[in-house]
Formats: sequence, C-alpha cells, structure tokens
Amino acid sequence: GENVEQHPSTLSVQEGDSAVIKCTYSDSASNYFPWYKQELGKRPQLIIDIRSNVGEKKDQRIAVTLNKTAKHFSLHITETQPEDSAVYFCAAYDNNNDMRFGAGTRLTVKP
Amino acid sequence: KAGVTQTPRYLIKTRGQQVTLSCSPISGHRSVSWYQQTPGQGLQFLFEYFSETQRNKGNFPGRFSGRQFSNSRSEMNVSTLELGDSALYLCASSPGTGGRTGELFFGEGSRLTVL
Repeated sequence: GENVEQHPSTLSVQEGDSAVIKCTYSDSASNYFPWYKQELGKRPQLIIDIRSNVGEKKDQRIAVTLNKTAKHFSLHITETQPEDSAVYFCAAYDNNNDMRFGAGTRLTVKP
Repeated sequence: KAGVTQTPRYLIKTRGQQVTLSCSPISGHRSVSWYQQTPGQGLQFLFEYFSETQRNKGNFPGRFSGRQFSNSRSEMNVSTLELGDSALYLCASSPGTGGRTGELFFGEGSRLTVL
C-alpha cells in the first residue's frame, strides 16, 4: 500500500515567518494530495489539496507544490500567525483507493 | 447539513472488555472510513465501508472489526481490549464515488481509554 512520510515532526517559527512541511509518497498512481489541519482537541479539516495535473496551488497564505517525478509534495505557509499553530497532516491515496496519512507535523507559531 | 457524528465521545474500558463505536456520516455520503489516532503515530487507517461492504482494511489485528448499515451509519468494534488500544478513533465520510480523489469529512472522534 501507500507509504507517506512527513517531515519535520515538529516545527517552531516566529510569527510572520514562513513554514514548510514536506511529504513523500510511494505509489506512483496516486493523483490526489490533500493537507489537513487539526487544531488541539478538534477534528482534522481539509485546508488545501492538489491534483496531479498541476504543480502548484495557492490559497491566500497557503500553497502546495507537487513534484510527481520525485514523488514529493510540500505545504508552504507564509506570514504565519498564532492561529496557524496546529498539527498538519499530508495524505495520498494508495492503490486500494484508501487515503493514507503522514505522521503529522506539530507547528507552533510563537508571537 | 449536519456533519459527521460520532458516539460516544469519551469512554473508559478495562483490559479484556469490548467496545462499540458509532458513526453517522453526512447525509448522502456512502463511504465511511475509520482511523486510529495516537500521539506520534498520526492517523492509522483501520477500514473503509461503502454501501455496506468493507472495501479495504488496514494493518490491524482481527480484534478490530466494523460494519455499515443500509443508511450508511457505521460501527466499529474492538474486542479483548488492550492498553495499547487507547486512542482517538476518528470516523470520516465522503461521497465515495469519486475514485482516487475527494475530501474526507471527519467527526470529532471517540476517545477510548483502556485501563
């Protein structure tokens, strides 16, 4: 099945700095790569996703890039704010059509 | 439209007991997936049901089982509980017909503590 690796496991940045989280996947047939944000005590929620027919997608301060050749994709958050503090999960579909998640990155934005 | 509802939200069991967790998906969603979340392990895939059939199962022992009813509601059961089963169990629903794409909508989870 799909194996999704995510780095780093923890990330601490100063407010206003950028944060980058990277993921790699193993199934070359995967074509959908979402990112979920889970705030403390809350459910994971989709914040952005990218499909394999594009290399980059932006939504305000959040962007995701995809390199299908290298099988990796990244989440970029610019101008970070304290409310960006959360655990972020990347994911990809495996060859059984099940979404597999990375282990998560705990982002802390210090004011 | 109501979101994904999981019950109970919290429960405490002792080793050897069994537990049943329930998940009601968003109306119209036919796919329900279950995940186990533990600190440091992220979201581990348990199984997925679509139209009352288990489509796939993750790498968990046979003590973990589930089912889906005709109204798409799903239950998962864990028998002979072990301390290591303590976790947040998340249910997620999706329309289920989109192939290899599609957002998952998560419930708040059921937090199980095994003593």
